[in-house]
Amino acid sequence: GAVVSQHPSWVICKSGTSVKIECRSLDFQATTMFWYRQFPKQSLMLMATSNEGSKATYEQGVEKDKFLINHASLTLSTLTVTSAHPEDSSFYICSAQTHLGVRQETQYFGPGTRLLVL
Amino acid sequence: QKEVEQDPGPLSVPEGAIVSLNCTYSNSAFQYFMWYRQYSRKGPELLMYTYSSGNKEDGRFTAQVDKSSKYISLFIRDSQPSDSATYLCAMIEAGNNRKLIWGLGTSLAVNP
Repeated sequence: GAVVSQHPSWVICKSGTSVKIECRSLDFQATTMFWYRQFPKQSLMLMATSNEGSKATYEQGVEKDKFLINHASLTLSTLTVTSAHPEDSSFYICSAQTHLGVRQETQYFGPGTRLLVL
Repeated sequence: QKEVEQDPGPLSVPEGAIVSLNCTYSNSAFQYFMWYRQYSRKGPELLMYTYSSGNKEDGRFTAQVDKSSKYISLFIRDSQPSDSATYLCAMIEAGNNRKLIWGLGTSLAVNP
């Protein structure tokens, strides 16, 4: 149980285009989803927290107009990188958390999406 | 000072060795402690979850929490080459703040 999927697993795009990444909880309802970015040999950096049906909360330094997050259902959240630039190239990982059950604080992670902006 | 300190390694051990991975923390409000394993180019995978001081065992893995010393450990017995990965500790405060606070991760290589 507690499987999270991400799509696509990798994407290459031209500078200036927008890229949408989907994150789905496959076998549980995710009341909260998190989006992280990870650069090589570094730990995960939290970008934003989203609760189903409400606006995402962005971490300091993360541009909310550039990284659009939608969490329209209990099983799906999307991250759209708008007008992507080469410096946005990174590994983007989502995680999902349920407020039900014993392990309410546990985050289950997707496999990640590798973005390369040319 | 970071809230969570973890030696990034790298740590290299022979197959079959006992591996000890550690994190220290400064925030006494942390109540939940997790260890994740991350293979290269993959998302983190939850290994262990604990919320009290003491030991928790799951197969070859043992998680240890010492809240008085603000110190957590992950032990891997009979290490295998497939255990080669980055191990990250993560913690959460009690209450409504559900953000994970991460260690940097320790890179482990188990050599056959």
